Amino acid sequence: DTGVSQDPRHKITKRGQNVTFRCDPISEHNRLYWYRQTLGQGPEFLTYFQNEAQLEKSRLLSDRFSAERPKGSFSTLEIQRTEQGDSAMYLCASSLEATTQFFGPGTRLTVL
Amino acid sequence: GESVGLHLPTLSVQEGDNSIINCAYSNSASDYFIWYKQESGKGPQFIIDIRSNMDKRQGQRVTVLLNKTVKHLSLQIAATQPGDSAVYFCAETIRGGSEKLVFGKGTKLTVNP
Repeated sequence: DTGVSQDPRHKITKRGQNVTFRCDPISEHNRLYWYRQTLGQGPEFLTYFQNEAQLEKSRLLSDRFSAERPKGSFSTLEIQRTEQGDSAMYLCASSLEATTQFFGPGTRLTVL
Repeated sequence: GESVGLHLPTLSVQEGDNSIINCAYSNSASDYFIWYKQESGKGPQFIIDIRSNMDKRQGQRVTVLLNKTVKHLSLQIAATQPGDSAVYFCAETIRGGSEKLVFGKGTKLTVNP
């Protein structure tokens, strides 16, 4: 499969724990985006990278959230001290330059 | 604020009929629009896109129409099939602005056999 992949697909954690998600973009895509989607809503932008540079962060990305793309390939999204309000689907997308964004399957986070 | 929205939250059609899903936007600077299909538990799947310098674009069984005068976007699905049942989102980007996509809430399409 040469599409965007995300790991894990599901994560259940207790409030206060830290979690980390991984996204592997489509090979050679230099843009990588993170979105969050809650039930019944459209995805909301969190942040994006051009190669290894993080170019934009949404105000939704509180200081408990951090994203990295150290080598310009895969990316990680970490949430520290998780809260129940963090429960959502976390989606990753990639694109070649500023073109069509292709999404991965998402990571479903449940915070108990 | 976010400018993309949808007229109807749900749409039910008979198999074989044509479906039309509508989307309104408010930002005149919106220059790129995409339709995504999302099945339950999956990520959004790209269907078709259109730039603001176009009025119409066709794909396989799908057509997107853009009316810049009234800031309206529609997705037409021909000969709708049960496999088309999903939530459909329109999304936009702003000319000269961020590369982020701004999504509407989605329309749930149900195809009845």
